[in-house]
Amino acid sequence: EAGVAQSPRYKIIEKRQSVAFWCNPISGHATLYWYQQILGQGPKLLIQFQNNGVVDDSQLPKDRFSAERLKGVDSTLKIQPAKLEDSAVYLCASSLAGWEDMIFGAGTRLSVL
Amino acid sequence: AQKITQTQPGMFVQEKEAVTLDCTYDTSDQSYGLFWYKQPSSGEMIFLIYQGSYDEQNATEGRYSLNFQKARKSANLVISASQLGDSAMYFCAMREFFQGAQKLVFGQGTRLTINP
Repeated sequence: EAGVAQSPRYKIIEKRQSVAFWCNPISGHATLYWYQQILGQGPKLLIQFQNNGVVDDSQLPKDRFSAERLKGVDSTLKIQPAKLEDSAVYLCASSLAGWEDMIFGAGTRLSVL
Repeated sequence: AQKITQTQPGMFVQEKEAVTLDCTYDTSDQSYGLFWYKQPSSGEMIFLIYQGSYDEQNATEGRYSLNFQKARKSANLVISASQLGDSAMYFCAMREFFQGAQKLVFGQGTRLTINP
């Protein structure tokens, strides 16, 4: 089966610019997650969708980050405007039933200069 | 407060040896779950093993086993007969309830290097 697809794999931008990441989950997976992984740390959940509704976005910096999952399938995470501290790998994951079957994508590595 | 603590930033092990990666956790919940993930240099997180707080036996998956000591709040990962392909970052994570929702909280990770 196809895995979780993410694009782009790498992105370099200057601070105050905008950037968007795309994620296509595994077919049939109702739950989609976006994680931020800063170098040297474990992933931190930014937002969790169940179909196209938001389950948890308590750690999403809403003044600059936004995410949507139209039609309950693929999802886009946007940062506007970016800050230096946003440099990280952004991981998308999806699951059918819970964390035991959560599958991660390869991530998008963002560098903000 | 740190919920998941991995005290070993890096581990170096000879091929074919067994290795134990440490993980301690902090929770007041009675029901929780513990996970281990592997993150190779390619970046994706790969699920390895899961232990539920009510599971009486330690979880095992092939060469991976989880040494679960509930009273000590530790959930160490044991890899038997290590292979060069085991070189990667390893993360311990805990499922817990927070503000009415379930969350998966990760530790800082341990970088494992297998030497030939």
